[in-house]
Amino acid sequence: KQEVTQIPAALSVPEGENLVLNCSFTDSAIYNLQWFRQDPGKGLTSLLLIQSSQREQTSGRLNASLDKSSGRSTLYIAASQPGDSATYLCAVIGTAGNKLTFGGGTRVLVKP
Amino acid sequence: EAGVAQSPRYKIIEKRQSVAFWCNPISGHATLYWYQQILGQGPKLLIQFQNNGVVDDSQLPKDRFSAERLKGVDSTLKIQPAKLEDSAVYLCASTHDGTSPYEQYFGPGTRLTVT
Repeated sequence: KQEVTQIPAALSVPEGENLVLNCSFTDSAIYNLQWFRQDPGKGLTSLLLIQSSQREQTSGRLNASLDKSSGRSTLYIAASQPGDSATYLCAVIGTAGNKLTFGGGTRVLVKP
Repeated sequence: EAGVAQSPRYKIIEKRQSVAFWCNPISGHATLYWYQQILGQGPKLLIQFQNNGVVDDSQLPKDRFSAERLKGVDSTLKIQPAKLEDSAVYLCASTHDGTSPYEQYFGPGTRLTVT
C-alpha cells in the first residue's frame, strides 16, 4: 500500500527566503507525482505534475524534482512572498491505476 | 474552460440526518473522483467513476455513503445517516482520460459540519 509523507507539517519563513518542501513515498512504482496548493477553505490548485520519466518540472518561481528510486520529491519556491502562504500537498498516482494518494501537507507561512 | 463545479459550498446538519452533495466535472472528462478531507489531513479517495461505472469504491463506507453518476456526467454523493466523524471537506475532481498524464482538476469542495 502506497504511503506518502510530508515533513515538516508546518513551516514559517521570512519573506524573500527560499522554501524547500519535502515529500516521500514508499512505493516507487508511480505513474506521476503532482504538487498542489490549498488555501484555507478552498479546493486544490495544481502547481506542477512530474511524470515518472522526468526528473524535474519548473513553472516560474516553482521547481519540483523527482527521485523515483529513493521515493522522494522536493518542491522549491524561490524568493518566497506572503502570498505563498498556504498548505502544499503532494500526491502520487501508482502504475496500477489513476488513483491519487496524498501526503498530509505542509502548512507554510511567509512573514512580511 | 469552466472548472469543476460543486454545490453546496457549506452545509451544517445534525447527526443522523442525511445530506447530498453535487459535482459537475469539466466537460469531456470521463473520470470523476470524490475525496474526503478531514481537517489537517490530505484528501482520501472515497470513490472513482469512469463514465457511469464505478472503478474503485474500496474506501467508501457503504453502510452510510452512496454515490451515483447516472448519465456519466454529473455526480451525487450522499451520506445517510451522518455521524460526527463525517465532518470534513468533500472534494470532487475530474480527469481527461484521453491523454496522459492523468492530471486531476479539483472543485472548490463542500465543507460539511455535523453537530
